[in-house]
Amino acid sequence: DAKTTQPTSMDCAEGRAANLPCNHSTISGNEYVYWYRQIHSQGPQYIIHGLKNNETNEMASLIITEDRKSSTLILPHATLRDTAVYYCIVRVVSAGNKLTFGGGTRVLVKP
Amino acid sequence: GAVVSQHPSWVICKSGTSVKIECRSLDFQATTMFWYRQFPKQSLMLMATSNEGSKATYEQGVEKDKFLINHASLTLSTLTVTSAHPEDSSFYICSARRQGMELEAFFGQGTRLTVV
Repeated sequence: DAKTTQPTSMDCAEGRAANLPCNHSTISGNEYVYWYRQIHSQGPQYIIHGLKNNETNEMASLIITEDRKSSTLILPHATLRDTAVYYCIVRVVSAGNKLTFGGGTRVLVKP
Repeated sequence: GAVVSQHPSWVICKSGTSVKIECRSLDFQATTMFWYRQFPKQSLMLMATSNEGSKATYEQGVEKDKFLINHASLTLSTLTVTSAHPEDSSFYICSARRQGMELEAFFGQGTRLTVV
């Protein structure tokens, strides 16, 4: 699976949009971009995934550049409960293919 | 739907004893389950991939005789830490992939193991 690069940490203000970048310059054509987050002492929580097109769900939006070498996860209105480590992962979708976690971005939402 | 439950949530055991952690997919069948370990302030490290009815595939550096994995049914996988030592103290997390829906993986809440 392609490697991803994320900032180590970032702060954002409660109520504002949080934009989390991820670089995956070696991504292959059949690799999806996934985002998970992990709140302290809990298991990871799925947020969103995409292949080429931008995606939106009730939690977030995923913007993937046209060349697919980077993406941005957008939390539209950050709340204190969004404080977590956010992981950007790229992987080929197959039954046995594993999710490999990098360092992630530690996001702190401040009042 | 798509709930994965681990039991216990936390456990304390004496050095030299064995501990079993269960991972259950409550409302779906999981052909593949994954076991991760996470040390404080570090990312998740994949330990092994478990397929129902077959032997688990271990990542490099993970001792298969120490971390016994059994995936006897489509809804249950177990991880047994044998002869536990303080350095095995960690947060253990399982993940399950729903049969026929390989796009998503669902995670349990994790089990915190402390070996004293």
